[in-house]
Amino acid sequence: EVQLVESGGGLVKPGGSLRLSCAASGFTFISYGMNWVRQAPGKGLEWVSSISSSSSYIYYADSVMGRFTISRDNAKNSLYLQMNSLRAEDTAVYYCARDGDGYCSSSSCPFDPWGQGTLVTVSS
Amino acid sequence: SYELTQPPSVSVSPGQTARVTCSGDALPKQYAYWYQQKPGQAPVLVIYKDSERPSGIPERFSGSSSGTTVTLTISGVQAEDEADYYCQSADSSGSYYVFGTGTKVTVL
Repeated sequence: EVQLVESGGGLVKPGGSLRLSCAASGFTFISYGMNWVRQAPGKGLEWVSSISSSSSYIYYADSVMGRFTISRDNAKNSLYLQMNSLRAEDTAVYYCARDGDGYCSSSSCPFDPWGQGTLVTVSS
Repeated sequence: SYELTQPPSVSVSPGQTARVTCSGDALPKQYAYWYQQKPGQAPVLVIYKDSERPSGIPERFSGSSSGTTVTLTISGVQAEDEADYYCQSADSSGSYYVFGTGTKVTVL
């Protein structure tokens, strides 16, 4: 069974840092691109960042560019999101999601499946 | 920045058809994907490449595309289909993803 389990969320003060992790199992992690998506309380989904299978291609939303860093360790089947200079507006549930297996086009992929998310709260 | 626009809400009676639209300038060039999200749960992919259905998704879910608008159709709506639905696509370069504003489907 494919599983994605996020961890590392919590309460952090504005300007602080946090590192999220996503442990993957049930599939060949090195073969898939991975993604982070967040959802502020009561709000919609917001794409945060994507990384290709070999880390050759990395993309960020404008809202986190220069503050967040996505990375992966294929030997540990793990995805990471280093979040620095956190702001109140970064408060959200952060989901990791895999590129859909067999569902991609030549230029984009849907996200499937998703983890259950980890809550990040930025507050003083 | 690129945006995808959805109606905030759609209401439908059980057994009827619900249609959720998603509009964006790059949709003629990029595929759209649709997700269902129930309260307290992670999103689930229900449509990929505009109109394809992943395995395990009921046949009552379908998708279509016309110009700058894509549409998710739920035929014969059931109470369990009450959820938030989000479209997703990429910008014209394929390096920037965006989600639609989301539509709450209410089954009356």
